[in-house]
Amino acid sequence: AQTVTQSQPEMSVQEAETVTLSCTYDTSENNYYLFWYKQPPSRQMILVIRQEAYKQQNATENRFSVNFQKAAKSFSLKISDSQLGDTAMYFCAPPYGNNRLAFGKGNQVVVIP
Amino acid sequence: DTGVSQNPRHKITKRGQNVTFRCDPISEHNRLYWYRQTLGQGPEFLTYFQNEAQLEKSRLLSDRFSAERPKGSFSTLEIQRTEQGDSAMYLCASSQTYTEQYFGPGTRLTVT
Repeated sequence: AQTVTQSQPEMSVQEAETVTLSCTYDTSENNYYLFWYKQPPSRQMILVIRQEAYKQQNATENRFSVNFQKAAKSFSLKISDSQLGDTAMYFCAPPYGNNRLAFGKGNQVVVIP
Repeated sequence: DTGVSQNPRHKITKRGQNVTFRCDPISEHNRLYWYRQTLGQGPEFLTYFQNEAQLEKSRLLSDRFSAERPKGSFSTLEIQRTEQGDSAMYLCASSQTYTEQYFGPGTRLTVT
């Protein structure tokens, strides 16, 4: 079975500060994509960022960036200059085969004004 | 592009009743996925369609669950003889390739 581990179930961060969420996973795939999704209290899952495993360069999307370490199967998300709208559950989602994503239990991020 | 839509958004039903949910994917997305999410957990995969073909089903999808995508566009997920353990958020997602999936708002099912 696919294993996705997200530690630090709840994290609080002051507005404008930086927070890093960790994720480790297990896969037998070699070329794949990984994703971070955000689920605000309204509960719609929103794609935050994606990383292609064959690319060495870490992905960046505005204030969001990842630290991808393929050999270690580690995929952390950094949120810079945190904003109140960043308050949400964040899910790491590596692939599980070609046809599904495997989600961790999530990290609750609370941005404090 | 109007995004993935799901109906109804909320459904309350009594144990033993049948329910059906609908998902309309992003147009031209040929891949469609159903997930189930319970409180405090991440989504769990249920099933996957490529066009009208149901190519993969999770063991979570018991024989009380059936999903269809008859014309390769919208999909329905039916749960027969609902049980209290079926209470969850049912999420639909679509994608054009095997890369990122785009999620709908979900249907929250409460079985009383």
